Amino acid sequence: DAKTTQPTSMDCAEGRAANLPCNHSTISGNEYVYWYRQIHSQGPQYIIHGLKNNETNEMASLIITEDRKSSTLILPHATLRDTAVYYCIVRPLGGSGAGSYQLTFGKGTKLSVIP
Amino acid sequence: NAGVTQTPKFRILKIGQSMTLQCTQDMNHNYMYWYRQDPGMGLKLIYYSVGAGITDKGEVPNGYNVSRSTTEDFPLRLELAAPSQTSVYFCASTPSGNIGEQYFGPGTRLTVT
Repeated sequence: DAKTTQPTSMDCAEGRAANLPCNHSTISGNEYVYWYRQIHSQGPQYIIHGLKNNETNEMASLIITEDRKSSTLILPHATLRDTAVYYCIVRPLGGSGAGSYQLTFGKGTKLSVIP
Repeated sequence: NAGVTQTPKFRILKIGQSMTLQCTQDMNHNYMYWYRQDPGMGLKLIYYSVGAGITDKGEVPNGYNVSRSTTEDFPLRLELAAPSQTSVYFCASTPSGNIGEQYFGPGTRLTVT
C-alpha cells in the first residue's frame, strides 16, 4: 500500500472548518484514499473514502487533487467532539491474503478543536 | 442499527485463565476482523473471516482462536492468558469487497496479571 504523510497535529476553532491534508505521492491507479479517526479510548471510526472524484457524506468532504498525489479531509463545522487523531490510508478496494485484510494506520494528525 | 457490539467492555484475567470476547454485528456484513491495539501503537490483525464457516490468521494469531458459525457473530477465544495479551481488542466488520471500509466496535480492554 502507498505511504502517506500527515502533519502531526493541528488546531481548529470550534465552528470553523477543519482542513486535514494528506500526501500520498506514490499512490497507484487502483488505490483508494480512506479516512478514519480515533477518539481517545474508542474504536477507530470510518469517515469517508474516494478514488479520484470529490466525495461528501454527512460527516465530511474529501477533496482529491487531479494528480491524486494528495487529498484533504474537510470537517465543515468542527465541534469539540471532533477532537481525535485522524488517519489517511491508501489501499486497494479488495485484496487477497492476510496482509491485504489488515488496515494499517500511520501516525495520523491529532486534531484539537478549541472552544 | 446497533452496528458492531462487543462484550465485555473491561476484564481482568489471571495468568493461565481463558475467556471469550464476544462480537456481534447487525449490518449483514460478510467480512469480520479481530484486532488488538497496544498502548500508543497501531492496530494488529489477529484473525479475520470472509463469511460464516471461513476464518484465517492475521498478523498475530498465536494464543487466540476464533469461530464463525453465523454471519452476525465472531467470538475470539483466549486460551491460557499471558501478560503479553494485555491490550485493547477491537472487532470490526465490512461490506464484502470493500476491505478499506471497516466499522469498529467500542473495544474490550483486557488486563492479564
